[in-house]
Amino acid sequence: DAGITQSPRHKVTETGTPVTLRCHQTENHRYMYWYRQDPGHGLRLIHYSYGVKDTDKGEVSDGYSVSRSKTEDFLLTLESATSSQTSVYFCAISDLGNLPSTYEQYFGPGTRLTVT
Amino acid sequence: TQLLEQSPQFLSIQEGENLTVYCNSSSVFSSLQWYRQEPGEGPVLLVTVVTGGEVKKLKRLTFQFGDARKDSSLHITAAQPGDTGLYLCALWGGSNYKLTFGKGTLLTVNP
Repeated sequence: DAGITQSPRHKVTETGTPVTLRCHQTENHRYMYWYRQDPGHGLRLIHYSYGVKDTDKGEVSDGYSVSRSKTEDFLLTLESATSSQTSVYFCAISDLGNLPSTYEQYFGPGTRLTVT
Repeated sequence: TQLLEQSPQFLSIQEGENLTVYCNSSSVFSSLQWYRQEPGEGPVLLVTVVTGGEVKKLKRLTFQFGDARKDSSLHITAAQPGDTGLYLCALWGGSNYKLTFGKGTLLTVNP
């Protein structure tokens, strides 16, 4: 298994509070990603990083910010949590795969966030 | 933006049956990946297909890439309860290093 951990694994928080989720990898992969997964919507990309301090927005980035100060850590912050951000959040890492010009993505175990 | 449509959305079968799930794109893609996600866990990469017409086998799973490179299928032979999960197809956005996922097929194999 790829060395990816997420913390916390479960969190319940109140509307309006800040929340930070952490993703840690031991694979030295260049690319890191944050997704959310909701029924009926599948996996949706929030933000991703293509190197230390290099990040970009995904399709559902509003209300989220990220930071990557080290290769191994990628943080996702909800500045002021809302009920619509209740979801399961997955971190992923990727690097070149075995086939030419293809990448392989590996996922963490997920964080279940509930905003009340 | 390339869209991926997966069908069926839900599939419930008995142990020992065969099944096929499909992934279709609105445009040609260079490579496609299939992932399986078990309940409570993150998706796990099963296979990458890159060549039109390509067929890959992984034990009882057979993956096919359409000749026109706009569709792919996953066939499972003699399904087992351990095959239960969400099957996702995904493709890369070229130089953007972003993966676009279909919404998946939720498979339940009953003993």
